Amino acid sequence: QKEVEQDPGPLSVPEGAIVSLNCTYSNSAFQYFMWYRQYSRKGPELLMYTYSSGNKEDGRFTAQVDKSSKYISLFIRDSQPSDSATYLCAMSSGGSNYKLTFGKGTLLTVNP
Amino acid sequence: DVKVTQSSRYLVKRTGEKVFLECVQDMDHENMFWYRQDPGLGLRLIYFSYDVKMKEKGDIPEGYSVSREKKERFSLILESASTNQTSMYLCASSSDRVVAPLHFGNGTRLTVT
Repeated sequence: QKEVEQDPGPLSVPEGAIVSLNCTYSNSAFQYFMWYRQYSRKGPELLMYTYSSGNKEDGRFTAQVDKSSKYISLFIRDSQPSDSATYLCAMSSGGSNYKLTFGKGTLLTVNP
Repeated sequence: DVKVTQSSRYLVKRTGEKVFLECVQDMDHENMFWYRQDPGLGLRLIYFSYDVKMKEKGDIPEGYSVSREKKERFSLILESASTNQTSMYLCASSSDRVVAPLHFGNGTRLTVT
C-alpha cells in the first residue's frame, strides 16, 4: 500500500461548483497536513496547513483532516477559472523526521 | 515574501555532461531541498541540507550530489548526466526542519539528450 494516495484526475468542473479533493494515507504517525497548489510551469505554493484532526477555513478553501479514517480533504467553494491547477497533498509525522510525503497531485480545470 | 530562485528555467545538456543546478533563497532559511517531479511519479526528494556544509540523502540520491557552501545557496550536481535524469527539478527551503512548510522555486526543466 502506498503511503499517500491521491486521485490524479483530471477533474473538470463548471465555474461556481464546489470542488472536493482528497487524499488517503496509511502512516498513522502523520500529524501535519498540507495542501499545495501548482500552476502550470510554476513551483508548488502552500495553500493550507493543518495540524492533527479538524477543519481549517481560509476564504473559499476548507481543509479537513480525519485521522481516524486516515483521510484528508480540500474543499473549494465557488470555484473560479483561476483555481485551475494541480493540487498536491503533503504530510509529515514531525518529530525528528523531516520528511514531507507528497501525493501525486490532482489536476483541476474550472471552466468559465 | 520568501523567494526561492532557480538560476535556469530550461536546460538542455548532452549525455555524460556535468550539470549544475543552482538555487538561492532570500529568507535566511536553515533547510534547503532538491526534488524532481515526473508525471505519474510525483515529487521525489533527492537531497536536503539543514545547515551549511551539511547534506543528507533523500529517496533518490543516485547519480546526484549537492553542495552548500553558503546558507542561501544550494546546488544540485549531476556528475554525468543521463537521459533518465530528464525531469523538472524543484528547489525548496523551509525555516524549520520539522513542521514548517516548504517554499518552492519555479523549477528547472532539464532535458538530457
